Amino acid sequence: GAVVSQHPSRVICKSGTSVKIECRSLDFQATTMFWYRQFPKQSLMLMATSNEGSKATYEQGVEKDKFLINHASLTLSTLTVTSAHPEDSSFYICSARADLGGYEQYFGPGTRLTVT
Amino acid sequence: KQEVTQIPAALSVPEGENLVLNCSFTDSAIYNLQWFRQDPGKGLTSLLLIQSSQREQTSGRLNASLDKSSGRSTLYIAASQPGDSATYLCAVPMNTGFQKLVFGTGTRLLVSP
Repeated sequence: GAVVSQHPSRVICKSGTSVKIECRSLDFQATTMFWYRQFPKQSLMLMATSNEGSKATYEQGVEKDKFLINHASLTLSTLTVTSAHPEDSSFYICSARADLGGYEQYFGPGTRLTVT
Repeated sequence: KQEVTQIPAALSVPEGENLVLNCSFTDSAIYNLQWFRQDPGKGLTSLLLIQSSQREQTSGRLNASLDKSSGRSTLYIAASQPGDSATYLCAVPMNTGFQKLVFGTGTRLLVSP
């Protein structure tokens, strides 16, 4: 089956630093990837849609300068949390929409970010 | 605006029971519907995808049905096991170019031995 990986799985950083999270589709191409964040016991909140070769589309209320998204290839999208603060601590999940077939979306295992 | 709801919000059953999870959506013009499971602290695992032209899909002990006209989908789990304990989410893509997923509220399932 289709696999999406995320790296790192966990990261702890100090307030004010930047953190980059990678999302890779391992065995399929994905022109479109999505970034979500999830708070404990809540559903996923879509942050932005990432399209290969173009600027990301951010959801209302999401700061594009704080959450930088780059989708440089058909298998890789990155999310950089800039000048992180403790309130950015969360579980970040990416998904990749397969370019072929029924446009099924496959999710990564998530990245737990803790900002101290 | 598409809204997706799931009933029940939580379900606790003894091992071996057959069970049904429900998902309803307000806009029947959907492209497909996906069922996922999420274990605590983990990402989502895709269970089944039903295209709009299909009425059901089966994978092992799981069977998902789709009734577009009534805006409903059900996930049937046969002979439940403790390993089935997780949160189950249904989702439909928005009718936009990117097809962002709209998630249901989720059903937290606990299967006790």
